[in-house]
Amino acid sequence: EDQVTQSPEALRLQEGESSSLNCSYTVSGLRGLFWYRQDPGKGPEFLFTLYSAGEEKEKERLKATLTKKESFLHITAPKPEDSATYLCAVWGGTSYGKLTFGQGTILTVHP
Amino acid sequence: DSGVTQTPKHLITATGQRVTLRCSPRSGDLSVYWYQQSLDQGLQFLIQYYNGEERAKGNILERFSAQQFPDLHSELNLSSLELGDSALYFCASSALGGVGIQYFGAGTRLSVL
Repeated sequence: EDQVTQSPEALRLQEGESSSLNCSYTVSGLRGLFWYRQDPGKGPEFLFTLYSAGEEKEKERLKATLTKKESFLHITAPKPEDSATYLCAVWGGTSYGKLTFGQGTILTVHP
Repeated sequence: DSGVTQTPKHLITATGQRVTLRCSPRSGDLSVYWYQQSLDQGLQFLIQYYNGEERAKGNILERFSAQQFPDLHSELNLSSLELGDSALYFCASSALGGVGIQYFGAGTRLSVL
């Protein structure tokens, strides 16, 4: 069964203080790893898809990387508007349409 | 705006009742997915439909059922509701039957009293 573990559960940063979120996964034949952002009371918003180890993607202050066992979401010089829950999900080879999500990391950026 | 529309936004009902949640996917998307999000369980996959047919099933209770209609909108039916069914229910859609990028709606918040 596919499993995703995210750490830390919560992260508090000062504006401009860079950091990283971790997503460790166990999956039979990774077909894709997804990062989503979720604001309170809203649906997850797609950020990145990574398909193979070594792949990296960037969007504004966010950069996602992938290894064979984990993914990192690096946040450079964060702003208060980056405060949200960040969700990691995997698509495994034995789960046709199913994404398995981690519990998420709640990020709070203080001005 | 993801392009995925869910109605209603909020639903308050009593135990034992039956409700229907509706989802309209993004234009052109053939796959619809249903997820349940609660505080203790996180985001859990329930079921997927692709072009009208059930394609994958997760931890969906027997009291829950879903279908996708010819116009590709989908409905999730929840019956014999229990207090523990209170949660956010999300619909997502993607273009393909396998997992491409899933775009999520804003969700339906169900409160069972």
